[in-house]
Amino acid sequence: AQTVTQSQPEMSVQEAETVTLSCTYDTSESDYYLFWYKQPPSRQMILVIRQEAYKQQNATENRFSVNFQKAAKSFSLKISDSQLGDAAMYFCAYRIGNFGNEKLTFGTGTRLTIIP
Amino acid sequence: NAGVTQTPKFQVLKTGQSMTLQCAQDMNHEYMSWYRQDPGMGLRLIHYSVGAGITDQGEVPNGYNVSRSTTEDFPLRLLSAAPSQTSVYFCASRGLAGAGEQFFGPGTRLTVL
Repeated sequence: AQTVTQSQPEMSVQEAETVTLSCTYDTSESDYYLFWYKQPPSRQMILVIRQEAYKQQNATENRFSVNFQKAAKSFSLKISDSQLGDAAMYFCAYRIGNFGNEKLTFGTGTRLTIIP
Repeated sequence: NAGVTQTPKFQVLKTGQSMTLQCAQDMNHEYMSWYRQDPGMGLRLIHYSVGAGITDQGEVPNGYNVSRSTTEDFPLRLLSAAPSQTSVYFCASRGLAGAGEQFFGPGTRLTVL
Protein backbone atom coordinates (compact mmCIF):
# COMPACT_ATOMS: atom_id res chain seq x y z
CA ALA A 1 0.00 0.00 0.00
CA GLN A 2 1.10 3.49 -0.74
CA THR A 3 1.96 5.67 2.24
CA VAL A 4 2.67 9.37 2.61
CA THR A 5 4.71 10.63 5.55
CA GLN A 6 4.93 14.17 6.84
CA SER A 7 7.41 14.11 9.69
CA GLN A 8 6.87 17.70 10.88
CA PRO A 9 3.56 18.02 12.77
CA GLU A 10 4.19 21.74 13.31
CA MET A 11 6.40 24.40 11.77
CA SER A 12 6.72 28.11 12.29
CA VAL A 13 8.37 30.86 10.27
CA GLN A 14 8.85 34.59 10.50
CA GLU A 15 6.81 36.65 8.11
CA ALA A 16 8.71 37.29 4.84
CA GLU A 17 11.10 34.38 5.48
CA THR A 18 11.28 31.04 3.68
CA VAL A 19 10.11 27.71 5.05
CA THR A 20 10.29 24.16 3.72
CA LEU A 21 7.77 21.44 4.56
CA SER A 22 8.87 17.83 4.14
CA CYS A 23 7.03 14.90 2.59
CA THR A 24 8.15 11.40 1.71
CA TYR A 25 6.13 8.66 0.09
CA ASP A 26 6.40 4.99 -0.57
CA THR A 27 5.34 3.48 -3.88
CA SER A 28 6.36 0.88 -6.43
CA GLU A 29 4.56 2.73 -9.24
CA SER A 30 6.37 4.76 -11.89
CA ASP A 31 3.38 6.85 -13.02
CA TYR A 32 1.84 8.97 -10.30
CA TYR A 33 1.01 12.50 -9.19
CA LEU A 34 1.91 14.41 -6.07
CA PHE A 35 0.04 17.32 -4.54
CA TRP A 36 0.25 19.83 -1.75
CA TYR A 37 -3.06 20.99 -0.29
CA LYS A 38 -3.61 23.87 2.10
CA GLN A 39 -6.35 23.82 4.72
CA PRO A 40 -6.89 27.19 6.45
CA PRO A 41 -9.11 27.56 9.52
CA SER A 42 -12.11 27.79 7.19
CA ARG A 43 -11.60 24.03 6.64
CA GLN A 44 -11.66 24.36 2.84
CA MET A 45 -9.09 22.17 1.05
CA ILE A 46 -7.19 24.26 -1.49
CA LEU A 47 -4.72 22.90 -4.02
CA VAL A 48 -1.36 24.67 -3.71
CA ILE A 49 0.77 22.85 -6.26
CA ARG A 50 1.03 19.54 -8.13
CA GLN A 51 3.81 17.51 -9.72
CA GLU A 52 3.63 14.80 -12.34
CA ALA A 53 6.17 12.06 -11.61
CA TYR A 54 7.27 11.84 -15.24
CA LYS A 55 8.33 15.49 -15.25
CA GLN A 56 11.87 16.14 -14.07
CA GLN A 57 11.35 19.87 -13.69
CA ASN A 58 10.16 20.98 -10.28
CA ALA A 59 6.75 22.65 -10.24
CA THR A 60 6.42 26.28 -9.17
CA GLU A 61 3.39 28.46 -8.46
CA ASN A 62 4.32 32.02 -7.56
CA ARG A 63 5.84 31.87 -4.04
CA PHE A 64 5.37 28.10 -3.81
CA SER A 65 7.80 25.60 -5.27
CA VAL A 66 8.61 21.94 -4.76
CA ASN A 67 11.79 19.91 -4.58
CA PHE A 68 10.85 16.60 -6.20
CA GLN A 69 13.43 13.86 -5.71
CA LYS A 70 11.95 10.79 -7.44
CA ALA A 71 14.70 8.34 -6.52
CA ALA A 72 14.54 9.39 -2.87
CA LYS A 73 10.71 9.51 -2.97
CA SER A 74 10.76 12.97 -1.50
CA PHE A 75 8.45 15.88 -2.30
CA SER A 76 9.09 18.98 -0.18
CA LEU A 77 7.24 22.30 -0.41
CA LYS A 78 9.08 25.61 -0.19
CA ILE A 79 7.17 28.75 0.65
CA SER A 80 9.09 31.95 -0.05
CA ASP A 81 8.31 35.38 1.38
CA SER A 82 5.88 33.87 3.88
CA GLN A 83 2.70 35.82 4.48
CA LEU A 84 0.19 35.78 7.32
CA GLY A 85 -2.35 34.23 4.97
CA ASP A 86 -0.11 31.19 4.53
CA ALA A 87 -0.93 30.04 8.06
CA ALA A 88 -2.75 26.72 7.66
CA MET A 89 -2.48 22.96 7.74
CA TYR A 90 -0.58 21.65 4.74
CA PHE A 91 -1.19 18.16 3.43
CA CYS A 92 0.97 16.22 1.02
CA ALA A 93 -0.96 13.76 -1.16
CA TYR A 94 -0.22 11.05 -3.72
CA ARG A 95 -2.27 9.52 -6.53
CA ILE A 96 -1.52 6.68 -8.92
CA GLY A 97 -1.80 7.74 -12.53
CA ASN A 98 -3.85 4.81 -13.81
CA PHE A 99 -7.19 5.65 -15.38
CA GLY A 100 -9.99 4.72 -13.01
CA ASN A 101 -7.67 4.17 -10.05
CA GLU A 102 -8.27 7.51 -8.45
CA LYS A 103 -7.41 6.97 -4.82
CA LEU A 104 -5.75 9.99 -3.25
CA THR A 105 -3.59 9.15 -0.24
CA PHE A 106 -2.85 11.95 2.24
CA GLY A 107 -0.16 12.52 4.81
CA THR A 108 -1.06 13.53 8.35
CA GLY A 109 -0.36 17.20 7.76
CA THR A 110 1.94 19.98 8.97
CA ARG A 111 0.51 22.94 10.83
CA LEU A 112 2.30 26.10 9.68
CA THR A 113 2.34 29.19 11.91
CA ILE A 114 3.47 32.56 10.57
CA ILE A 115 5.10 34.82 13.17
CA PRO A 116 4.49 38.55 12.49
CA ASN B 1 -20.48 27.19 -11.14
CA ALA B 2 -21.14 26.31 -7.52
CA GLY B 3 -18.39 23.65 -7.59
CA VAL B 4 -18.80 20.93 -4.95
CA THR B 5 -21.54 21.51 -2.40
CA GLN B 6 -22.21 19.58 0.78
CA THR B 7 -25.14 19.61 3.15
CA PRO B 8 -25.48 19.93 6.03
CA LYS B 9 -22.45 21.85 7.36
CA PHE B 10 -22.97 20.59 10.90
CA GLN B 11 -24.91 17.64 12.31
CA VAL B 12 -25.34 16.03 15.71
CA LEU B 13 -26.67 12.48 15.90
CA LYS B 14 -27.40 10.01 18.64
CA THR B 15 -25.87 6.56 18.52
CA GLY B 16 -27.94 4.29 16.28
CA GLN B 17 -29.54 7.05 14.23
CA SER B 18 -29.23 7.10 10.47
CA MET B 19 -28.60 9.99 8.15
CA THR B 20 -27.42 10.92 4.68
CA LEU B 21 -24.73 13.44 3.90
CA GLN B 22 -25.43 15.09 0.57
CA CYS B 23 -22.82 15.94 -2.05
CA ALA B 24 -23.38 17.50 -5.45
CA GLN B 25 -21.13 18.89 -8.16
CA ASP B 26 -21.95 20.88 -11.28
CA MET B 27 -18.68 20.39 -13.19
CA ASN B 28 -19.72 17.15 -14.95
CA HIS B 29 -16.91 15.28 -13.19
CA GLU B 30 -16.82 11.52 -13.53
CA TYR B 31 -14.95 10.89 -10.31
CA MET B 32 -16.41 11.61 -6.89
CA SER B 33 -15.23 10.55 -3.47
CA TRP B 34 -15.81 10.80 0.26
CA TYR B 35 -13.11 11.33 2.88
CA ARG B 36 -13.15 11.62 6.61
CA GLN B 37 -10.70 13.80 8.50
CA ASP B 38 -9.75 12.96 12.07
CA PRO B 39 -7.19 14.78 14.23
CA GLY B 40 -3.64 13.63 13.53
CA MET B 41 -4.70 11.24 10.77
CA GLY B 42 -5.07 13.36 7.65
CA LEU B 43 -7.86 12.54 5.20
CA ARG B 44 -8.83 8.93 4.63
CA LEU B 45 -10.85 7.67 1.68
CA ILE B 46 -14.22 6.11 2.53
CA HIS B 47 -15.82 5.37 -0.87
CA TYR B 48 -15.40 6.59 -4.39
CA SER B 49 -17.10 6.44 -7.77
CA VAL B 50 -15.74 6.73 -11.31
CA GLY B 51 -19.15 7.25 -12.87
CA ALA B 52 -22.89 6.82 -12.49
CA GLY B 53 -23.72 3.32 -11.30
CA ILE B 54 -20.10 2.54 -10.31
CA THR B 55 -18.85 2.70 -6.73
CA ASP B 56 -15.97 1.14 -4.84
CA GLN B 57 -14.59 1.00 -1.34
CA GLY B 58 -11.74 3.08 -0.07
CA GLU B 59 -9.57 2.71 3.00
CA VAL B 60 -12.27 2.99 5.71
CA PRO B 61 -15.65 1.89 4.24
CA ASN B 62 -17.19 0.09 7.22
CA GLY B 63 -20.39 1.70 8.48
CA TYR B 64 -20.97 3.73 5.32
CA ASN B 65 -22.96 3.16 2.13
CA VAL B 66 -22.91 5.10 -1.12
CA SER B 67 -24.72 5.11 -4.43
CA ARG B 68 -24.25 7.07 -7.65
CA SER B 69 -27.45 7.29 -9.64
CA THR B 70 -26.48 10.51 -11.44
CA THR B 71 -23.21 12.16 -12.44
CA GLU B 72 -23.97 15.13 -10.18
CA ASP B 73 -24.83 13.49 -6.86
CA PHE B 74 -22.95 11.17 -4.52
CA PRO B 75 -24.66 10.79 -1.13
CA LEU B 76 -23.03 9.10 1.84
CA ARG B 77 -25.30 7.11 4.16
CA LEU B 78 -24.68 6.23 7.77
CA LEU B 79 -27.12 3.42 8.57
CA SER B 80 -26.51 3.23 12.33
CA ALA B 81 -24.28 6.02 13.60
CA ALA B 82 -21.55 5.24 16.13
CA PRO B 83 -19.36 7.61 18.20
CA SER B 84 -16.35 6.41 16.16
CA GLN B 85 -17.94 8.12 13.15
CA THR B 86 -17.55 11.55 14.76
CA SER B 87 -15.42 13.34 12.19
CA VAL B 88 -15.31 15.97 9.48
CA TYR B 89 -16.47 14.59 6.13
CA PHE B 90 -15.32 15.92 2.79
CA CYS B 91 -16.71 15.20 -0.64
CA ALA B 92 -14.48 15.74 -3.68
CA SER B 93 -14.73 15.45 -7.43
CA ARG B 94 -12.49 15.61 -10.50
CA GLY B 95 -12.52 14.92 -14.18
CA LEU B 96 -10.69 11.73 -15.11
CA ALA B 97 -8.32 13.21 -17.70
CA GLY B 98 -4.71 13.89 -16.83
CA ALA B 99 -3.48 15.33 -13.56
CA GLY B 100 -6.60 17.30 -12.83
CA GLU B 101 -6.97 18.35 -9.24
CA GLN B 102 -9.66 17.13 -6.92
CA PHE B 103 -12.11 19.85 -5.95
CA PHE B 104 -13.29 19.61 -2.37
CA GLY B 105 -16.57 20.61 -0.79
CA PRO B 106 -16.63 22.72 2.37
CA GLY B 107 -17.02 19.71 4.66
CA THR B 108 -19.60 18.44 7.14
CA ARG B 109 -18.77 18.28 10.84
CA LEU B 110 -20.59 15.29 12.30
CA THR B 111 -20.84 14.54 16.00
CA VAL B 112 -22.28 11.24 17.22
CA LEU B 113 -23.23 11.21 20.89
